[in-house]
Amino acid sequence: RKEVEQDPGPFNVPEGATVAFNCTYSNSASQSFFWYRQDCRKEPKLLMSVYSSGNEDGRFTAQLNRASQYISLLIRDSKLSDSATYLCVVNTWASGGSYIPTFGRGTSLIVHP
Amino acid sequence: ETGVTQTPRHLVMGMTNKKSLKCEQHLGHNAMYWYKQSAKKPLELMFVYSLEERVENNSVPSRFSPECPNSSHLFLHLHTLQPEDSALYLCASSQEGVRGKPIQETQYFGPGTRLLVL
Repeated sequence: RKEVEQDPGPFNVPEGATVAFNCTYSNSASQSFFWYRQDCRKEPKLLMSVYSSGNEDGRFTAQLNRASQYISLLIRDSKLSDSATYLCVVNTWASGGSYIPTFGRGTSLIVHP
Repeated sequence: ETGVTQTPRHLVMGMTNKKSLKCEQHLGHNAMYWYKQSAKKPLELMFVYSLEERVENNSVPSRFSPECPNSSHLFLHLHTLQPEDSALYLCASSQEGVRGKPIQETQYFGPGTRLLVL
């Protein structure tokens, strides 16, 4: 079983649409969770952290369900500039003394006019 | 310079060459990472250095050899690579607290080195 699973997409949506991405993780000891965004041929950049209580940043809402080991990202009122790959990241504390991040494969979003 | 920088940005090498990738972070972080990103695959964590000590080696072949001389610099020495090693190599840094008490786990990535092995 893959450690962090995401639907690769692509999700092809019109401007203004609402789109949701899901991510599941296999390690129940994982401690922190993030969504990163990666534009074509660029490096990943943090979009938002994900907290158990759920959190919102403008048009973006992230949710975490520890019991189901499931993370989600909701994008409302999609913009053309939202087109990118969205990476789910799960951190686990390693005995060596550092957080070990595991990345999902990413979900590709294409927003069209 | 700000953030995380990587050099070179592009590299073409033969299988018998020896080359090094360089990463420098200007954020005052104490943890640095090497990742490999191949087409259609998730980012693969290769090495983690925390406080200049290697804390993770993710079963990476010995033809990849990391070096972390100080908390701002990270190198990846390459020798006798294979064509399947062609990929984007990304460096990242983060700030971690004492063990068990992280300060910030957000990783900041460099632009990457796009490597082609012929």
